[in-house]
Amino acid sequence: QVQLVQSGAEVKKPGASVKVSCKASGYTFTSYYMHWVRQAPGQGLEWMGIINPSGGSTSYAQKFQGRVTMTRDTSTSTVYMELSSLRSEDTAVYYCAREVSPRDAFDIWGQGTMVTVSS
Amino acid sequence: QSVLTQPPSASGTPGQRVTISCSGSSSNIGSNTVNWYQQLPGTAPKLLIYSNNQRPSGVPDRFSGSKSGTSASLAISGLQSEDEADYYCAAWDDSLNGSWVFGGGTKLTVL
Repeated sequence: QVQLVQSGAEVKKPGASVKVSCKASGYTFTSYYMHWVRQAPGQGLEWMGIINPSGGSTSYAQKFQGRVTMTRDTSTSTVYMELSSLRSEDTAVYYCAREVSPRDAFDIWGQGTMVTVSS
Repeated sequence: QSVLTQPPSASGTPGQRVTISCSGSSSNIGSNTVNWYQQLPGTAPKLLIYSNNQRPSGVPDRFSGSKSGTSASLAISGLQSEDEADYYCAAWDDSLNGSWVFGGGTKLTVL
């Protein structure tokens, strides 16, 4: 069935980087856009950016410009989100989510990856 | 501070009808469609309503959505205990370089 499986929880120190993976299965990887959305503990959802798995083009939320990099590996149907210069405020669950077409809706979500930033 | 405004909480008894509002502006809800997501405790969000009022396959028709101007609403009829969850509205925002924006979420309690 269609699913997105993310990598496991991470604990990082302030200033470090984290790279989260999201492996797609059950559909044609290059036919759907992929987004990253995060959720701080007890807080709402926050959009981080989008990658087009077909050509690799990306667009990031202004808040994360310069700190986030989204990439993909078509040979393994996996997208990656790397966030650098981590601070305590980046402690959150990070989700990947599939979108059928631009400005459509996120129809499939990964299970989430908890990233904890602590000294 | 979320771009879209939702009430932080809502409640109802089993069988009742409840509505959750979502207020935005001309750059988001006013010019783009609205989606709603349901997040059960400890799980990832799930698409509940897309394109203002469309239900994905498998979503009961107890859930319905509507949009008017720069506001949208989610209605749940025949409330059930399993509907207790957080609900988020979302829309594309055309300002700056464009981005997805969410409401702050509404925690629905079934009394």
